[in-house]
Amino acid sequence: GIQVEQSPPDLILQEGANSTLRCNFSDSVNNLQWFHQNPWGQLINLFYIPSGTKQNGRLSATTVATERYSLLYISSSQTTDSGVYFCAVGLHNTDKLIFGTGTRLQVFP
Amino acid sequence: GAVVSQHPSRVICKSGTSVKIECRSLDFQATTMFWYRQFPKKSLMLMATSNEGSKATYEQGVEKDKFLINHASLTLSTLTVTSAHPEDSSFYICSARDTPTSGRPYEQYFGPGTRLTVT
Repeated sequence: GIQVEQSPPDLILQEGANSTLRCNFSDSVNNLQWFHQNPWGQLINLFYIPSGTKQNGRLSATTVATERYSLLYISSSQTTDSGVYFCAVGLHNTDKLIFGTGTRLQVFP
Repeated sequence: GAVVSQHPSRVICKSGTSVKIECRSLDFQATTMFWYRQFPKKSLMLMATSNEGSKATYEQGVEKDKFLINHASLTLSTLTVTSAHPEDSSFYICSARDTPTSGRPYEQYFGPGTRLTVT
């Protein structure tokens, strides 16, 4: 089956720093989503980005589908950015989402 | 828009009893809903795909007789954990997919999760 690997697994930042999270996948996909899971477990949709680049405030994402990776950029990080970031991909001809291994981010004041 | 609710948010039950978890799409119709399970500090694992009006499709290794899924309407899917055991304790999360005409045919929206503890 498809493999979805995220790096780094853990990231510790001071408030105000920038970071880049990476998602590598092993097969072609028709869907890629980035999520932030907050400390209460809620998954918050960040980006629906099967290809191209999008920006939303301090966050932006780029997916290069032909090279099978996606990047999530967080600029000027805040303590509220803490939590786990997941990418998830969907294969062609299927509704399923396969989740990556996650990146645990801690932002300290 | 695209809000998914789950109820209950937290449940404690005794071993051998059954527990029902509800997943509702509040502001859109979901022909397809999904159920995931998450262990502490781990990623989400897909358990089953629930299609309105038809039987659920279970992932390999998921016991369909233990985890009963019903998708009776376009806004409601239920997961019933039957004869629960302590090893069924976990965080259960549902998601819903909007209709294909929404412009984002594969995007999923997630509920807040249900934390099940079996004693």
